[in-house]
Amino acid sequence: AQSVSQHNHHVILSEAASLELGCNYSYGGTVNLFWYVQYPGQHLQLLLKYFSGDPLVKGIKGFEAEFIKSKFSFNLRKPSVQWSDTAEYFCAVNTPNAGNMLTFGGGTRLMVKP
Amino acid sequence: GAGVSQSPSNKVTEKGKDVELRCDPISGHTALYWYRQSLGQGLEFLIYFQGNSAPDKSGLPSDRFSAERTGGSVSTLTIQRTQQEDSAVYLCASSLALDQETQYFGPGTRLLVL
Repeated sequence: AQSVSQHNHHVILSEAASLELGCNYSYGGTVNLFWYVQYPGQHLQLLLKYFSGDPLVKGIKGFEAEFIKSKFSFNLRKPSVQWSDTAEYFCAVNTPNAGNMLTFGGGTRLMVKP
Repeated sequence: GAGVSQSPSNKVTEKGKDVELRCDPISGHTALYWYRQSLGQGLEFLIYFQGNSAPDKSGLPSDRFSAERTGGSVSTLTIQRTQQEDSAVYLCASSLALDQETQYFGPGTRLLVL
C-alpha cells in the first residue's frame, strides 16, 4: 500500500517569503502526483499534477512542484507568497491502472501574515 | 451544474440513526469517489464507482457504510446506526474517466453525530 508524508503540519510565513512544502511518498512503482489546496471555507481544488514528462510542473497561482523520483518526493514551491495563499495544502498520489483512488498526506496548514 | 454538488451541506443526527448523503457529479464524468475528512484520520478514501459499479469497497470503515450509484450519475452514501466516530466531512469527487484523470471535489457534507 502506498502512503504519503507531509512533514510540515503548520507553516507561518510573512508575505513575500519563499515557500517550500515537503511531500514524500512510499511506493516503488509508477505514480501520479498531485497537490490540492483548501482555502478557508472552500472545497479542495487542484493546484498542479504530475503524470509524466518534465518533472518540474507549474500550476496555478505561481505554484510549482518538482518530482524527484530518486527521493520519492514531490515538493511544492512558490517564490513569493501572498496573504491569499493562506490555506491547507494536501499532497496526494495514485497509481495508474489501479482505480485512481487518491492517497493523501496529512496536510500542511499555511498561514501568511500580511 | 458546473461542479460537483453535495447535499446536505450539514447534517446533525443522533447516535444510532441512519443518514444518507448525496453526490451529484459533474455531467459526463463516469468515475465518482467518496472520501472522508476527519480530525484524527485526515483525508481517507472510502469507495469509488466506475459507471454504476463499485469494484473496490475495501475503504469503507465498516459494514454500516454502503454506497450506490444509479444511472451513472447521482450517488448516495448511507451510514446505518451512526456512531460518534462517524462525525466527519464526507467529500465526493468525480473525474472524466478512471485513470490519468483529475478528480474534482465537491464542497462536502459535514456530519455531526451527537
